[in-house]
Amino acid sequence: NAGVIQTPRHKVTGKGQEATLWCEPISGHSAVFWYRQTIVQGLEFLTYFRNQAPIDDSGMPKERFSAQMPNQSHSTLKIQSTQPQDSAVYLCASSSDSYEQYFGPGTRLTVL
Amino acid sequence: GQQVQQSPSSLVLQEGENAELQCNFSSTATQLQWFYQSPGGSLVSLLSNPSGTKHTGRLTSTTVTKERRSSLHISSSQTTDSGTYLCAIATGGADRLTFGKGTQLIIQP
Repeated sequence: NAGVIQTPRHKVTGKGQEATLWCEPISGHSAVFWYRQTIVQGLEFLTYFRNQAPIDDSGMPKERFSAQMPNQSHSTLKIQSTQPQDSAVYLCASSSDSYEQYFGPGTRLTVL
Repeated sequence: GQQVQQSPSSLVLQEGENAELQCNFSSTATQLQWFYQSPGGSLVSLLSNPSGTKHTGRLTSTTVTKERRSSLHISSSQTTDSGTYLCAIATGGADRLTFGKGTQLIIQP
């Protein structure tokens, strides 16, 4: 079991550029979650999918952030027109019906 | 909204001592997880314990649901236990986790 896979591990973008982050959940897990971690705010929920359907995106900044889950093996988080305040570690987690969540290593996004 | 308070914010112990970490939350938790995070590292799930007492290795978690609190006890601490311990809950039918700010544990040799 490879665990949750996130790519890239590090991404540096210029202000105004687009960033796409990838997540591959643990095989057989039905739910995928996205969180963001910063020193100041700690860990914050962004959005999640269950059986590929979007369930809750209440944590997503509405204008520039979007997430998709086109198939059961991967999810993407896209940030358009990145801003310095988007700099954070973006974490993906997956869970089965037991609800215990398992996290990937994260993608460290730096916006210059 | 949901709040998760962890105490202490930091704890320094000598190797071999026991550590006691606390988590208090403002809403009834249907799911509670304790995580470990090393500096610059990923989140590692330690225990899932929405109620009662659970043991794994040197870790014991006790959650009293009605009192909205949970504790994590680490026995015979080791220097490799150093890191940040995070408590997270889910409430109602939601699966999303709300995290506390964590307890930074430092174990000195």
